[in-house]
Amino acid sequence: KAGVTQTPRYLIKTRGQQVTLSCSPISGHRSVSWYQQTPGQGLQFLFEYFSETQRNKGNFPGRFSGRQFSNSRSEMNVSTLELGDSALYLCASRTSGGRETQYFGPGTRLLVL
Amino acid sequence: GENVEQHPSTLSVQEGDSAVIKCTYSDSASNYFPWYKQELGKGPQLIIDIRSNVGEKKDQRIAVTLNKTAKHFSLHITETQPEDSAVYFCAAPLRGGADGLTFGKGTHLIIQP
Repeated sequence: KAGVTQTPRYLIKTRGQQVTLSCSPISGHRSVSWYQQTPGQGLQFLFEYFSETQRNKGNFPGRFSGRQFSNSRSEMNVSTLELGDSALYLCASRTSGGRETQYFGPGTRLLVL
Repeated sequence: GENVEQHPSTLSVQEGDSAVIKCTYSDSASNYFPWYKQELGKGPQLIIDIRSNVGEKKDQRIAVTLNKTAKHFSLHITETQPEDSAVYFCAAPLRGGADGLTFGKGTHLIIQP
């Protein structure tokens, strides 16, 4: 099976812009989670989607949003970018939820100037 | 919510020696503890996990132990090899059962030739 794919892999934006990142889960996986990874804060949970519904949300401002499509592909959007949003954004998928293994994609490296 | 602490932050061992990384968690209801390995430029990759109904699990040179009473779990790597050099993360469920993971800050494992 193909793994989790994320596009684009690298992105440079300026403050105030918005950005949309895409994630395609492993075939058959219906749950998609997003994480932000920074050197200072480490890996932090953003939100999780299952069957097009957000099931859980981390402690991030409303500028961070996401959605999931009927084919389980997911997008996350960050509006009004700030310098501190520079990070590696990781997507992880699993079949449904609970104590199932999450499989991570390679991430999208976002740099905000 | 769950809080996971990981140490050490950096661990340097001679090739062939063993490495041990320790994590503690706060939520006694947590029941699933994965370990991820992240190499430069890649997303985290699951290397082993343990569920709360067992105390130890092994997979070749890698083992994980869980002490539910003390609320800590450890990763053991024996006969370390150069390809073991990476950053290792422990994790636990966000709210003791499902929907996202909370991660430790990571351990940079360096294998000295």
